[in-house]
Amino acid sequence: GQQVMQIPQYQHVQEGEDFTTYCNSSTTLSNIQWYKQRPGGHPVFLIQLVKSGEVKKQKRLTFQFGEAKKNSSLHITATQTTDVGTYFCAGFRQAGTALIFGKGTTLSVSS
Amino acid sequence: DTGVSQNPRHKITKRGQNVTFRCDPISEHNRLYWYRQTLGQGPEFLTYFQNEAQLEKSRLLSDRFSAERPKGSFSTLEIQRTEQGDSAMYLCASSSRTLGTEAFFGQGTRLTVV
Repeated sequence: GQQVMQIPQYQHVQEGEDFTTYCNSSTTLSNIQWYKQRPGGHPVFLIQLVKSGEVKKQKRLTFQFGEAKKNSSLHITATQTTDVGTYFCAGFRQAGTALIFGKGTTLSVSS
Repeated sequence: DTGVSQNPRHKITKRGQNVTFRCDPISEHNRLYWYRQTLGQGPEFLTYFQNEAQLEKSRLLSDRFSAERPKGSFSTLEIQRTEQGDSAMYLCASSSRTLGTEAFFGQGTRLTVV
């Protein structure tokens, strides 16, 4: 079945450093979504990427979708303590199928 | 509050008992998902409805688990003969018809099997 893998599992950075998490799927995805889950909270949608090679930015966050639509990355520039949480990628194998999540990357930031 | 609502928020049950959870999605959303999440893991897909039709069910889901979505509105997830390994957070999410729209999650039901 479809698998979505993320690395690293954990990342600790000093405030102001950059952070990147990578997502890889065993199958081609129709699109990919990113979610953030704060400690004790539930996943909250950040963004969706649909096109091959697409790049989107949200302030300090940059999201990329690979050319083959099998991988994606999230890069945070100059991390802040408010960036703490677990970042998940999630993808649809094709239209009308279930949304499958990766295991997530947990980011901790020290000031 | 027009978000996804889940009840109960917490459930403690003895091993072997049956439990049922309820999810009320955002009213105009036709897609509904159930996930299970344990500490340090991502949401693990359990099952997916489009309106009242159950379109996918995880192969990891044993026959002790069943879900329904009568009339395409709220959904229930039942676990029969609970085991300690069923202890987890059970998350419900909903989204609209259009492919790829964001999934809105409820606060979850935390199940503890003792």
